[in-house]
Amino acid sequence: NAGVTQTPKFRVLKTGQSMTLLCAQDMNHEYMYWYRQDPGMGLRLIHYSVGEGTTAKGEVPDGYNVSRLKKQNFLLGLESAAPSQTSVYFCASSYSITGDNYGYTFGSGTRLTVV
Amino acid sequence: QKEVEQDPGPLSVPEGAIVSLNCTYSNSAFQYFMWYRQYSRKGPELLMYTYSSGNKEDGRFTAQVDKSSKYISLFIRDSQPSDSATYLCAMDSNYQLIWGAGTKLIIKP
Repeated sequence: NAGVTQTPKFRVLKTGQSMTLLCAQDMNHEYMYWYRQDPGMGLRLIHYSVGEGTTAKGEVPDGYNVSRLKKQNFLLGLESAAPSQTSVYFCASSYSITGDNYGYTFGSGTRLTVV
Repeated sequence: QKEVEQDPGPLSVPEGAIVSLNCTYSNSAFQYFMWYRQYSRKGPELLMYTYSSGNKEDGRFTAQVDKSSKYISLFIRDSQPSDSATYLCAMDSNYQLIWGAGTKLIIKP
């Protein structure tokens, strides 16, 4: 089925550990995004990409890095995890920034706990 | 003050009721307005997409935009238990969408 696939679905990290969240889409979308969702805070944009080889900072980029070496993949890295990064992470992709009538397509999320 | 305000709820109504969900915003430059639905432990999915002011209807759902009041609404007619979810509004801001925090809706059978 076409869509956005995120791996892993769950992860527990110790403070200071590093990890990479993987996102893959098969819809040939140019735009890809990484969000975090916390209770009462809604979706907050971490980083985004407007095409292969390009990335940009969003609202809350500190502590995260990203790479988009291939059009279909967008990776989110945590170099030194902190408890404040405990959250649910969503990857999304779209044809345009606003999504138009097709909207953003979201993955099912990665639940990350940092202890 | 957040750019987009949305009551987190929860909003609990009986099955068959008309539901009204709302967002207010402060940036008059917003032109695209969206409603997303998010089921528990899932990613959001687009429900309605509206450009500028006016109404848009899709089955039991109606999206309404009042730019003069900086206020958008989503109405759900004949609500069903399957409509129980969190509803997020979103608006465009040049390079990204600005999201409301979401309203949790519970439809009681």
